[in-house]
Formats: sequence, C-alpha cells, structure tokens
Amino acid sequence: QSALTQPPSASGSPGQSVTISCTGTSSDVGGYNFVSWYQQHPGKAPKLMIYEVTKRPSGVPDRFSGSKSGNTASLTVSGLQAEDEADYYCSSYAGSNILYVFGTGTKVTVL
Amino acid sequence: EVQLLESGGGLVQPGGSLTLSCVASGFSFSSYAMNWVRQAPGKGLEWVSGISGGGDYTYYADSVKGRFTISRDNSKNTLYLHMNSLRADDTAVYFCAKYRGYLIAGGWFDPWGQGTLVTVSS
Repeated sequence: QSALTQPPSASGSPGQSVTISCTGTSSDVGGYNFVSWYQQHPGKAPKLMIYEVTKRPSGVPDRFSGSKSGNTASLTVSGLQAEDEADYYCSSYAGSNILYVFGTGTKVTVL
Repeated sequence: EVQLLESGGGLVQPGGSLTLSCVASGFSFSSYAMNWVRQAPGKGLEWVSGISGGGDYTYYADSVKGRFTISRDNSKNTLYLHMNSLRADDTAVYFCAKYRGYLIAGGWFDPWGQGTLVTVSS
C-alpha cells in the first residue's frame, strides 16, 4: 500500500492561510470519510487535529479546518500563528485488508 | 486525563527480538482498540499493527506480518508489541495510540504516547 501524497512543504506569514493537500485513491481517501490530520512538533508525539474529514476535537482551534473532494483531502490553517509551525500528516482508513495509510508529511513554516 | 507510556525500546542486533510495552491510564482500556505506529528517523508515520478492545482481532501491516505480534493484557491496562527477526529498516520510534472505538473499522488515533526508540544495528 503506497503512502498518501502530500507536498513536502508549505509556508505563510502570520495571519495568512495555508492549505495542505493529501491525495490518495478510491480505495482509501475517496472510499471512506475517515480522513484524519495530525500535527507533530519536533521530537513530540503526533496530535489529532481533524477527524472524519471535517471534525475538530475539543481544544483544537477553529483556525484548523478539513475538507475532501474525490480522492484528495485538504487541511487549511487560517490565521497562521508561530505555534502552527510543525509537520502535518494525513491518514485514511483503507479497508479491512490494509487498514490505515498515512501521508508523506508536510512541513509548515511560518515566515 | 488519558495517558499512554511506552517502554522497552533499545539497541538490538539484526535478527534479534524485542518487546515493547504501553501502559494506559485515564480511560476504560478494554473498551478501546489500540495501535502501534512507527516513524523511522527523519521519515513519515507508518501504521504497524492494531488490536481490538478484547484482543480477539489483530491486524498487521504487510511489512511486519509474520514477524511482529500485538497483544494486550486488559487486567494490567497494557499493550504489547513482540518483535522478532528484526531488520535495519525496523529502526524507528514506536508510538502507541488509542483508537476511537472497540473495533478497528474506520476511525482515528487519539491520543498518542511519547514513543520509544528501537534501533536495529550490529
């Protein structure tokens, strides 16, 4: 099972927005509404930011939003803040044989 | 507060074995599936294995199938990963992660432990 495709990097100035794409296939991203997004700061554990494509766990700022169209999911961070600088990974359920696939990861830089 | 604490990582020779543990607290452990996810140095995340809340269903990535065994002891709130025939490309930080429900059938991982480093080298 191949990893989901994400751009290696994205950047924006404070207050701007950045959108990260996550491209899979009809067997994972396009086939299920179980796309989730994780934020990882250096040396730290990943943190859930979005689940079921669009839902935010309690405590996650509403600056973070998710969407999906076909085989591509997206994470948008609006009103960028310095603490948003981190690596971001998407993940999708891929059925009962493969279970889960993760994206290749995107490093977000706040300029 | 949900907490997950991994242990058991270390340096092991190629072909060797190692067992990782993850002690959970702050939730009803037996009610939730659990997973192991790993991250090779400087690389992305890779799902490794999952187990249902009761331990009756187990799942593995192709890269570890036949070499790794996931198990849990609900009386001790502890998740395990028994790793055999270790290879250099198994070198990674191994995270345990709580799943959204009892079975692994579509969901997400939250929260994650801090991870334990496994290094396979001679």
